[in-house]
Amino acid sequence: GDSVTQMEGPVTLSEEAFLTINCTYTATGYPSLFWYVQYPGEGLQLLLKATKADDKGSNKGFEATYRKETTSFHLEKGSVQVSDSAVYFCALDAVGTSYGKLTFGQGTILTVHP
Amino acid sequence: GAGVSQTPSNKVTEKGKYVELRCDPISGHTALYWYRQSLGQGPEFLIYFQGTGAADDSGLPNDRFFAVRPEGSVSTLKIQRTERGDSAVYLCASSLIAGGTNTGELFFGEGSRLTVL
Repeated sequence: GDSVTQMEGPVTLSEEAFLTINCTYTATGYPSLFWYVQYPGEGLQLLLKATKADDKGSNKGFEATYRKETTSFHLEKGSVQVSDSAVYFCALDAVGTSYGKLTFGQGTILTVHP
Repeated sequence: GAGVSQTPSNKVTEKGKYVELRCDPISGHTALYWYRQSLGQGPEFLIYFQGTGAADDSGLPNDRFFAVRPEGSVSTLKIQRTERGDSAVYLCASSLIAGGTNTGELFFGEGSRLTVL
Protein backbone atom coordinates (compact mmCIF):
# COMPACT_ATOMS: atom_id res chain seq x y z
CA GLY A 1 0.00 0.00 0.00
CA ASP A 2 0.87 3.67 -0.06
CA SER A 3 3.34 4.96 2.51
CA VAL A 4 5.22 8.13 3.43
CA THR A 5 8.53 8.25 5.28
CA GLN A 6 9.83 11.41 6.91
CA MET A 7 13.24 12.07 8.37
CA GLU A 8 13.57 11.29 12.02
CA GLY A 9 13.13 14.21 14.37
CA PRO A 10 13.07 16.30 16.34
CA VAL A 11 14.96 19.03 14.49
CA THR A 12 16.39 21.95 16.45
CA LEU A 13 17.74 25.02 14.65
CA SER A 14 18.78 28.57 15.39
CA GLU A 15 16.85 31.42 13.86
CA GLU A 16 17.86 32.18 10.23
CA ALA A 17 19.28 28.68 9.70
CA PHE A 18 18.49 26.65 6.59
CA LEU A 19 15.88 23.94 6.97
CA THR A 20 15.45 20.65 5.13
CA ILE A 21 12.96 17.99 6.16
CA ASN A 22 13.20 14.90 3.98
CA CYS A 23 10.15 13.06 2.73
CA THR A 24 9.98 10.02 0.47
CA TYR A 25 6.94 8.07 -0.59
CA THR A 26 5.79 4.77 -2.02
CA ALA A 27 2.67 4.77 -4.13
CA THR A 28 1.16 3.33 -7.26
CA GLY A 29 1.06 5.88 -10.04
CA TYR A 30 1.44 9.60 -9.45
CA PRO A 31 -0.20 10.83 -6.28
CA SER A 32 -0.62 14.44 -5.21
CA LEU A 33 1.82 15.44 -2.47
CA PHE A 34 1.31 17.76 0.48
CA TRP A 35 3.01 19.29 3.48
CA TYR A 36 0.76 20.00 6.44
CA VAL A 37 1.84 21.91 9.54
CA GLN A 38 0.51 21.82 13.08
CA TYR A 39 1.33 24.81 15.25
CA PRO A 40 1.01 24.43 19.03
CA GLY A 41 -2.63 24.38 20.10
CA GLU A 42 -3.96 24.42 16.55
CA GLY A 43 -5.30 21.93 14.01
CA LEU A 44 -3.31 20.71 11.03
CA GLN A 45 -3.26 23.14 8.14
CA LEU A 46 -2.08 22.85 4.58
CA LEU A 47 1.32 24.45 4.01
CA LEU A 48 1.88 23.61 0.34
CA LYS A 49 1.10 21.03 -2.30
CA ALA A 50 2.18 19.70 -5.70
CA THR A 51 0.00 17.64 -8.00
CA LYS A 52 2.38 16.40 -10.69
CA ALA A 53 6.02 15.61 -11.29
CA ASP A 54 8.45 18.56 -11.23
CA ASP A 55 5.80 20.87 -9.72
CA LYS A 56 7.10 23.11 -6.97
CA GLY A 57 4.80 24.03 -4.12
CA SER A 58 5.61 27.14 -2.10
CA ASN A 59 4.13 29.13 0.76
CA LYS A 60 5.42 31.32 3.62
CA GLY A 61 9.00 30.93 2.38
CA PHE A 62 8.77 27.12 2.36
CA GLU A 63 9.27 25.14 -0.85
CA ALA A 64 9.06 21.52 -1.95
CA THR A 65 9.55 19.97 -5.40
CA TYR A 66 7.78 16.80 -6.56
CA ARG A 67 10.59 14.48 -7.70
CA LYS A 68 9.20 11.42 -9.44
CA GLU A 69 12.60 9.88 -10.14
CA THR A 70 13.53 9.82 -6.46
CA THR A 71 9.93 9.60 -5.14
CA SER A 72 10.67 12.54 -2.85
CA PHE A 73 9.08 15.79 -1.71
CA HIS A 74 11.61 17.40 0.61
CA LEU A 75 10.60 20.56 2.47
CA GLU A 76 13.04 23.48 2.52
CA LYS A 77 13.24 26.99 3.88
CA GLY A 78 16.19 29.30 3.51
CA SER A 79 15.88 31.14 6.83
CA VAL A 80 13.68 29.81 9.62
CA GLN A 81 12.02 31.90 12.28
CA VAL A 82 10.99 31.11 15.83
CA SER A 83 7.38 31.20 14.63
CA ASP A 84 8.09 28.21 12.33
CA SER A 85 8.34 25.96 15.38
CA ALA A 86 5.69 23.30 14.76
CA VAL A 87 5.15 19.70 13.69
CA TYR A 88 5.42 19.12 9.93
CA PHE A 89 3.68 16.25 8.14
CA CYS A 90 4.30 15.04 4.62
CA ALA A 91 1.30 13.38 2.99
CA LEU A 92 0.01 11.94 -0.27
CA ASP A 93 -3.44 11.65 -1.76
CA ALA A 94 -4.17 8.08 -2.76
CA VAL A 95 -4.13 7.71 -6.52
CA GLY A 96 -7.54 7.19 -7.97
CA THR A 97 -9.46 8.77 -5.12
CA SER A 98 -9.03 12.55 -5.50
CA TYR A 99 -11.22 13.13 -2.48
CA GLY A 100 -8.76 13.71 0.32
CA LYS A 101 -7.95 10.21 1.55
CA LEU A 102 -4.49 11.15 2.74
CA THR A 103 -1.61 8.96 3.85
CA PHE A 104 0.62 10.85 6.30
CA GLY A 105 4.19 10.45 7.43
CA GLN A 106 4.92 10.25 11.13
CA GLY A 107 5.65 13.98 11.49
CA THR A 108 8.80 15.96 12.25
CA ILE A 109 8.98 18.27 15.23
CA LEU A 110 10.83 21.50 14.45
CA THR A 111 12.03 23.81 17.21
CA VAL A 112 13.67 27.12 16.29
CA HIS A 113 15.61 29.00 18.96
CA PRO A 114 16.24 32.77 18.87
CA GLY B 1 -16.74 29.91 14.59
CA ALA B 2 -15.26 29.70 11.12
CA GLY B 3 -13.21 26.54 11.60
CA VAL B 4 -13.89 22.87 12.19
CA SER B 5 -15.13 22.36 15.72
CA GLN B 6 -14.72 19.11 17.67
CA THR B 7 -16.18 18.15 21.02
CA PRO B 8 -15.19 17.07 23.55
CA SER B 9 -11.57 18.16 23.39
CA ASN B 10 -10.71 15.52 25.97
CA LYS B 11 -12.52 12.35 26.93
CA VAL B 12 -11.45 9.84 29.56
CA THR B 13 -13.43 6.63 29.75
CA GLU B 14 -13.16 3.13 31.11
CA LYS B 15 -12.55 0.02 29.07
CA GLY B 16 -15.80 -1.38 27.72
CA LYS B 17 -17.71 1.92 27.72
CA TYR B 18 -19.39 3.62 24.76
CA VAL B 19 -18.07 6.94 23.44
CA GLU B 20 -19.34 9.55 21.00
CA LEU B 21 -17.17 12.24 19.44
CA ARG B 22 -18.74 15.14 17.57
CA CYS B 23 -17.54 17.17 14.60
CA ASP B 24 -19.02 20.39 13.26
CA PRO B 25 -17.45 21.11 9.85
CA ILE B 26 -16.95 24.42 8.09
CA SER B 27 -20.24 25.68 6.72
CA GLY B 28 -20.67 24.74 3.08
CA HIS B 29 -18.10 21.94 3.08
CA THR B 30 -19.79 18.83 1.72
CA ALA B 31 -16.86 16.50 2.39
CA LEU B 32 -16.07 15.37 5.93
CA TYR B 33 -13.31 13.07 7.15
CA TRP B 34 -12.33 11.32 10.34
CA TYR B 35 -8.69 10.49 11.04
CA ARG B 36 -7.01 8.93 14.06
CA GLN B 37 -3.60 9.99 15.36
CA SER B 38 -1.72 7.84 17.81
CA LEU B 39 1.14 9.25 19.86
CA GLY B 40 4.19 9.98 17.72
CA GLN B 41 2.44 9.01 14.50
CA GLY B 42 0.81 10.82 11.64
CA PRO B 43 -2.96 10.83 11.21
CA GLU B 44 -4.54 7.67 9.76
CA PHE B 45 -7.65 7.79 7.59
CA LEU B 46 -10.82 6.31 9.06
CA ILE B 47 -13.82 7.39 6.98
CA TYR B 48 -14.97 9.90 4.38
CA PHE B 49 -18.46 11.35 3.94
CA GLN B 50 -19.74 13.07 0.87
CA GLY B 51 -22.96 14.67 2.03
CA THR B 52 -24.88 12.27 4.24
CA GLY B 53 -23.37 9.04 2.97
CA ALA B 54 -20.14 7.32 3.91
CA ALA B 55 -18.36 7.14 0.55
CA ASP B 56 -15.29 5.35 1.93
CA ASP B 57 -15.15 3.66 5.34
CA SER B 58 -12.18 1.45 4.55
CA GLY B 59 -10.11 2.87 7.41
CA LEU B 60 -12.45 1.93 10.24
CA PRO B 61 -10.47 -0.64 12.23
CA ASN B 62 -13.38 -2.93 13.15
CA ASP B 63 -17.13 -3.03 13.69
CA ARG B 64 -16.88 -1.31 17.07
CA PHE B 65 -16.35 1.94 15.16
CA PHE B 66 -19.21 3.66 13.39
CA ALA B 67 -19.82 7.19 12.12
CA VAL B 68 -22.90 9.06 10.98
CA ARG B 69 -23.70 12.35 9.32
CA PRO B 70 -27.50 12.33 9.13
CA GLU B 71 -28.09 15.84 7.77
CA GLY B 72 -24.91 16.31 5.79
CA SER B 73 -23.33 18.65 8.30
CA VAL B 74 -22.46 17.56 11.85
CA SER B 75 -20.91 14.11 12.18
CA THR B 76 -20.58 11.78 15.15
CA LEU B 77 -17.96 9.08 15.52
CA LYS B 78 -19.20 6.30 17.78
CA ILE B 79 -16.99 3.73 19.47
CA GLN B 80 -18.53 0.76 21.26
CA ARG B 81 -16.89 -1.40 23.92
CA THR B 82 -13.82 0.80 24.03
CA GLU B 83 -10.40 -0.81 24.43
CA ARG B 84 -7.14 0.67 25.70
CA GLY B 85 -5.77 0.51 22.17
CA ASP B 86 -8.43 3.00 21.06
CA SER B 87 -6.65 5.75 22.98
CA ALA B 88 -5.62 8.39 20.44
CA VAL B 89 -6.49 11.82 19.12
CA TYR B 90 -9.45 11.65 16.76
CA LEU B 91 -9.28 14.34 14.10
CA CYS B 92 -12.08 15.62 11.96
CA ALA B 93 -11.54 17.51 8.72
CA SER B 94 -13.75 19.04 6.05
CA SER B 95 -13.14 20.23 2.53
CA LEU B 96 -14.72 21.61 -0.59
CA ILE B 97 -15.36 19.26 -3.47
CA ALA B 98 -15.38 21.06 -6.80
CA GLY B 99 -16.19 19.24 -10.00
CA GLY B 100 -15.95 15.91 -8.26
CA THR B 101 -12.39 16.54 -7.16
CA ASN B 102 -11.05 17.58 -3.80
CA THR B 103 -9.52 21.03 -3.97
CA GLY B 104 -6.48 19.62 -2.25
CA GLU B 105 -6.93 21.25 1.12
CA LEU B 106 -8.39 19.61 4.16
CA PHE B 107 -9.31 21.84 7.11
CA PHE B 108 -8.71 20.04 10.37
CA GLY B 109 -10.16 20.55 13.81
CA GLU B 110 -7.99 20.45 16.91
CA GLY B 111 -9.08 16.93 17.67
CA SER B 112 -10.69 14.97 20.48
CA ARG B 113 -8.19 13.23 22.72
CA LEU B 114 -9.61 9.90 23.88
CA THR B 115 -8.05 8.05 26.79
CA VAL B 116 -9.33 4.59 27.65
CA LEU B 117 -8.31 3.42 31.11
